[in-house]
Amino acid sequence: TQLLEQSPQFLSIQEGENLTVYCNSSSVFSSLQWYRQEPGEGPVLLVTVVTGGEVKKLKRLTFQFGDARKDSSLHITAAQPGDTGLYLCAGLPVEYGGATNKLIFGTGTLLAVQP
Amino acid sequence: KAGVTQTPRYLIKTRGQQVTLSCSPISGHRSVSWYQQTPGQGLQFLFEYFSETQRNKGNFPGRFSGRQFSNSRSEMNVSTLELGDSALYLCASSRDRGPHNYGYTFGSGTRLTVV
Repeated sequence: TQLLEQSPQFLSIQEGENLTVYCNSSSVFSSLQWYRQEPGEGPVLLVTVVTGGEVKKLKRLTFQFGDARKDSSLHITAAQPGDTGLYLCAGLPVEYGGATNKLIFGTGTLLAVQP
Repeated sequence: KAGVTQTPRYLIKTRGQQVTLSCSPISGHRSVSWYQQTPGQGLQFLFEYFSETQRNKGNFPGRFSGRQFSNSRSEMNVSTLELGDSALYLCASSRDRGPHNYGYTFGSGTRLTVV
């Protein structure tokens, strides 16, 4: 069974602080995605990473895929209240092949940014 | 363009009843996947449909079934409802299979409560 463990589970910080969320597994993934979900809504895709060691930036968010493609991190610089939400990583295990949408989701990190 | 539409948004059913949930994907998207989200288990994969054929199924009992129509719209059915089926059911669509190539858009979900 593939598992994606996220840490921390909960994070409450002040506006302007920096934070990092981690997503770890013992499985190898052909790609990994990060989503943000707000209460009562579906997850919204933030980024997809496919190459080991890849770094992608989306404004104040920086995403990294581990060299071995078993882990990923999300770093937020100068967090704002609008960043509040549930952050989910989701991966496509290598053994599933590429032509499927059967994603394994992480356990989630609930972020609250206080003004 | 219109997003992924799920109906209804909320449902309350009694144990033993059955329920049908509907998902209309983004126009032009041929792949539809269903996920169940609960506080304890997070997001878990239910099914994946592409061109009216079920391509993958998650580890759920046979009470959970689904189908996809020629216009790519999809329905899922849960028979003999149990209290533990209470969850947010999410539908996601993509143009093709393989989220890292084609993106993955979720609907807002159907909140099912079984009493």
